[in-house]
Amino acid sequence: DAKTTQPPSMDCAEGRAANLPCNHSTISGNEYVYWYRQIHSQGPQYIIHGLKNNETNEMASLIITEDRKSSTLILPHATLRDTAVYYCIVRSPSYDKVIFGPGTSLSVIP
Amino acid sequence: DAGITQSPRHKVTETGTPVTLRCHQTENHRYMYWYRQDPGHGLRLIHYSYGVKDTDKGEVSDGYSVSRSKTEDFLLTLESATSSQTSVYFCAIREQEYNEQFFGPGTRLTVL
Repeated sequence: DAKTTQPPSMDCAEGRAANLPCNHSTISGNEYVYWYRQIHSQGPQYIIHGLKNNETNEMASLIITEDRKSSTLILPHATLRDTAVYYCIVRSPSYDKVIFGPGTSLSVIP
Repeated sequence: DAGITQSPRHKVTETGTPVTLRCHQTENHRYMYWYRQDPGHGLRLIHYSYGVKDTDKGEVSDGYSVSRSKTEDFLLTLESATSSQTSVYFCAIREQEYNEQFFGPGTRLTVL
């Protein structure tokens, strides 16, 4: 699986959009980008995933650059409940292991 | 929520004793995973399973063994617990190759 790089921490004002970047410059053609988050002491929660097209669901939007070397998770209107560690993972469907990096700790500030 | 339970949820044990943690799913998913989480290390993969009796090592498998004798249960065993294995343990399941993981609530293990 390709390696990912995320900033260790970010702040976002409540009500504003939170834009969390992920760099995956060594991504290969069949690897998907997945995002999870972990709210303090809970198990990680799946947010969204995509291959090359932008994706949106009820939780967030995923923007993948045309060259697929980076992506951005967007929480359109951050709330205090969105304070969590966000993990970006790049994985091939044929690869059974799922490895997590250190993620980005997002703090939503009132 | 995906039907994943972990037992026990909390355990305190002494160094040198055997410990078994259980992950149970009601989803009939093929893949199951065990992670540990420690401050400053994030989630680290211990072992995973891709079917009944099919398991493989993860990043930090030393000191741990696993078994999966039926689809719904994935057991993690510490043969002789050490203080360095004090951690929060998470189980996860995944249905097929393209699918996301669902995580259990975690087990907090303290080895004195």
